Parts: sequence; C-alpha cells; structure tokens
Amino acid sequence: DAMVIQNPRYQVTQFGKPVTLSCSQTLNHNVMYWYQQKSSQAPKLLFHYYDKDFNNEADTPDNFQSRRPNTSFCFLDIRSPGLGDAAMYLCATSRGPMGGNQPQHFGDGTRLSIL
Amino acid sequence: GQQVMQIPQYQHVQEGEDFTTYCNSSTTLSNIQWYKQRPGGHPVFLIQLVKSGEVKKQKRLTFQFGEAKKNSSLHITATQTTDVGTYFCAGPFLHNTDKLIFGTGTRLQVFP
Repeated sequence: DAMVIQNPRYQVTQFGKPVTLSCSQTLNHNVMYWYQQKSSQAPKLLFHYYDKDFNNEADTPDNFQSRRPNTSFCFLDIRSPGLGDAAMYLCATSRGPMGGNQPQHFGDGTRLSIL
Repeated sequence: GQQVMQIPQYQHVQEGEDFTTYCNSSTTLSNIQWYKQRPGGHPVFLIQLVKSGEVKKQKRLTFQFGEAKKNSSLHITATQTTDVGTYFCAGPFLHNTDKLIFGTGTRLQVFP
C-alpha cells in the first residue's frame, strides 16, 4: 500500500543534542510537510517542500531545519533541542502545486522526548 | 492574525446522541477539509468540500460548507464509541493555497 512512513516512532534525546527525524513516502507526491503537534493542540506547520522548493513558516525557529534529498524522503533536523521542543512531529504529503487544495496524507508521527 | 477556530473545544456525549462541531475562519477559504485524529494517532482525511453552500454525507456524518466559504460544520448522527477522537477542520486561505490552516479542533468523547 502507498503510504507515509516516519521513523522512529519514539525518539528520546538529550537537551541540546542534535536529532534527526525521517519521513518517506511511496505516494510520489510533490509536496511534503512537517508539522509539530503538542498535546491537545492542532498541528502547527513548520515548513513544506514543493518538489525541491523549500518554504519556511515565519514563526518556525532557526533551530529547525529540513532536507529533501529526493521525492521520497524528507528529514527534520533539530539542531539544539530544548525542553519546549518535546512534541509529536508529523510528516504529511499531498499532490501539488497548491497543496492546500488537496487532501494530506499523514504518517504515524514521531514522538520526541527531551531529557 | 488570520486563524481558524472550532467550537466546542470538548464535547462529551452518551452513545446514540448527536454531535456537531463548528468551524469558523477569519478569512475566506479555498476549500474546507475535515480530519479525524484518534487518541495517540495521526490526522486522517475524511472529506473535502469546495463549493459555496456544499453539503456532503458519509453515512452518519454530514458536512457543510458555508455560503461565504468562511465556516463549516460536521454533524454526527447517533454517535458510536468508534467516533471518539479529535475532529479538525482545515483549509487554505484563498490568497495562499500552498498549505492548510488547521482549526483548533473539537475533542469528542462518547460514553457507552
């Protein structure tokens, strides 16, 4: 089945220690999104790619970076995680352009804990 | 700032009762999408409405998109315990259709 896969499901890191979360998709969608979701809140968009075009949200901290080496893979790098970065990180894909006009397909998410 | 609000924030119902969540945007939307997120799960796409005044049904779920394309509602008839979860509306603002803006969500709890 075509899907969006996130690894790992759970990630524990130390305060200030860089961490990378990964996302892969077999849907061949142009657009890939990274969201941060904290408990009882809506997903908050961090950034998205349309093919190789990177679009950062204005309020995404510089601490968060992303890479998309090819259509199938996208990575979220947190350079120096703080306690406030503990959250569920969701990857999603959609057809593009104008990805907001298409349904989004989410992965299971990676729950990040900071020690 | 521009935002999408949902009410109520929480709703507890007895199994068999009806449930409605309302979604209101501060600006016109290109379309409205609804997602369901089970506890511990990820958002799952339910439906998309595009036209002003559109109504769609999926079994016990009825979705409406307002005439001004700034509000929407989801109504569940005769809730079941499997309906438990958080329901999010989401839509792209008309001036920026690259991304979805998620509503604040309504958490539904159903008691047997």
